[in-house]
Parts: sequence; structure tokens; C-alpha cells
Amino acid sequence: GDSVTQMEGPVTLSEEAFLTINCTYTATGYPSLFWYVQYPGEGLQLLLKATKADDKGSNKGFEATYRKETTSFHLEKGSVQVSDSAVYFCALSEGNQGGKLIFGQGTELSVKP
Amino acid sequence: NAGVMQNPRHLVRRRGQEARLRCSPMKGHSHVYWYRQLPEEGLKFMVYLQKENIIDESGMPKERFSAEFPKEGPSILRIQQVVRGDSAAYFCASSPAFSSHSGNTIYFGEGSWLTVV
Repeated sequence: GDSVTQMEGPVTLSEEAFLTINCTYTATGYPSLFWYVQYPGEGLQLLLKATKADDKGSNKGFEATYRKETTSFHLEKGSVQVSDSAVYFCALSEGNQGGKLIFGQGTELSVKP
Repeated sequence: NAGVMQNPRHLVRRRGQEARLRCSPMKGHSHVYWYRQLPEEGLKFMVYLQKENIIDESGMPKERFSAEFPKEGPSILRIQQVVRGDSAAYFCASSPAFSSHSGNTIYFGEGSWLTVV
């Protein structure tokens, strides 16, 4: 079945460091790909998405490119801030399954001043 | 435009009691999803509902769990005879009807944290 694998956390960075969180997927079809962010004690917020190969999703300085050849959707940010500390989830959705999402296990990011 | 509203935010139940979690979707959304997040784990899909219909319940435990989305009122996730292993965060999400352009985006509520003691 479909699955999503993320790099394990926690990831600890200093402010203004470069961030990469790896995400790879397996899918039978052509999924849409998402990154969600969860701040402590809160629900999930959509961070960015991409719906087809080579699409780049971007938001709040975060970027991720849908790479079909490597089945990856790595999250990057050039300069992290303390306020970016959260848990980041990669997810996929098959086009014929409505909003049913398959999530990775999440990667906790901690940014120190 | 209010987001997805869940209540209660926190619920404590003793083993054997019933837990009812409610979810009001965003205005204009007719599809509701329930996900469960166990401690230290990612979110797992439970059930997908449209008004008065269960579309996909492949992630629901076979016993004690049920969900509904009536014509009027919020969606309800009901857990009967709760056990300690049911302690988790339960997230509801909603979406409008899907099109090929939507990218299947769904919007999450802030979650209901169930603790079974």
C-alpha cells in the first residue's frame, strides 16, 4: 500500500541555519503531496502542497519540490527562526480517495536562539 | 469564516465509559474526516463521511468505534467502553467537494485530546 517515510527527529538547529527534512513516498498512482505543521497543543496547518511532478510548493519561506523520479518531497528553508519550532508532517493523497491522507511519522524541529 | 470546530478540546473518561467527540466543518464543506494521533506517532486515517453517508471507514477499529455526519448538526465520533489505549488526540478535518484542481486539500480542526484513566 501507499506509504510516507520521513527522516527521524528530533532535529535541533540554531537560528538562521538551513533546514532540510527528507520525505519519500511510495504510491501506486499519481498522488498529491503535502507538508503540514503542528505547533505544540494545536492542530495541523497546511504548510504547502504540490499536485504533480516538478511542481514546487512554497509558503512562509519553506519550499518543497515534487520529484517523481526519486519519489521525494523534501522540505527546505534557507534560514529558520525560533518560531519555526514545531512538528512537520509529510503526507500524500491519491486522487481517487478524496481527502484521505497518508502521513509520515512526523519530524520534530527545535530551533535554538 | 470560522475554521473546523472541534469540541471538547480535552476529555477525560474512566475505562468503560463512552466518549463523544464533535466536529463542525468549515462553512460550505460537505466532507468530514477523522484522524487519530497516538502518542509519539503520526496521524492515522479513521473514517471519511459526507452528509448522512460513510464513504470510507477502512481505518476505523472494528469494535466500539462509530461515526456519523447527520443532515443537520456536527459530525460525531463515538467510542464506547473506552480503554486506556484509546487515549489519543482525535482530529477532524473537512473539505468541499473535490475537483481535479483542488489538490485534495483538507483543513484540520485543533483536535480533541481524550485521556482514559
